[in-house]
Amino acid sequence: EPEVTQTPSHQVTQMGQEVILRCVPISNHLYFYWYRQILGQKVEFLVSFYNNEISEKSEIFDDQFSVERPDGSNFTLKIRSTKLEDSAMYFCASSETAVGNYGYTFGSGTRLTVV
Amino acid sequence: DAKTTQPPSMDCAEGRAANLPCNHSTISGNEYVYWYRQIHSQGPQYIIHGLKNNETNEMASLIITEDRKSSTLILPHATLRDTAVYYCIVRVAFDQGGKLIFGQGTELSVKP
Repeated sequence: EPEVTQTPSHQVTQMGQEVILRCVPISNHLYFYWYRQILGQKVEFLVSFYNNEISEKSEIFDDQFSVERPDGSNFTLKIRSTKLEDSAMYFCASSETAVGNYGYTFGSGTRLTVV
Repeated sequence: DAKTTQPPSMDCAEGRAANLPCNHSTISGNEYVYWYRQIHSQGPQYIIHGLKNNETNEMASLIITEDRKSSTLILPHATLRDTAVYYCIVRVAFDQGGKLIFGQGTELSVKP
């Protein structure tokens, strides 16, 4: 069964450093998403991306965050200057259609720890 | 905020049916009911979705009341691997943004 692949699985970074989280969506999917989950809290939507531009973003997705699809296969989330409160699991997801008729496929996540 | 209400936790005996309720009393006519689950901090996994008819797939059945104000996810023969947090989510069918609003979900514990 096709999978969404995320790397790395764990990342530890110093506060103020830039991090890039990487995702390889399912190959025929056109819509891409990032969600995050702070330990013990709900899964939160960050951003959706289609046709090389952001479709929608949440209040969490401020100027410190950016997304990119640099080469037609990877989908990245960059945090420019990490803060302690950015520590969370970050999940990438993709779907064939905008409305997710067949559901969204999530990756296994990257656990980001900011120290 | 999530537009659904679910019990925070439930237990189920292995091999028995697990029936997970969800209230969505303010659901609109163009909103679908989706169910996802999350096994121990892994990425959420799609289970099933429906509009007003009951739905069944290889994982589960979804029963939606006639007034669409509540639904029940049924795992017909629960196994230990079904222990997870189950999320009921309502969203507009033609929302292009792809945003899923997760609540706290129901933590299902399947016990031997």
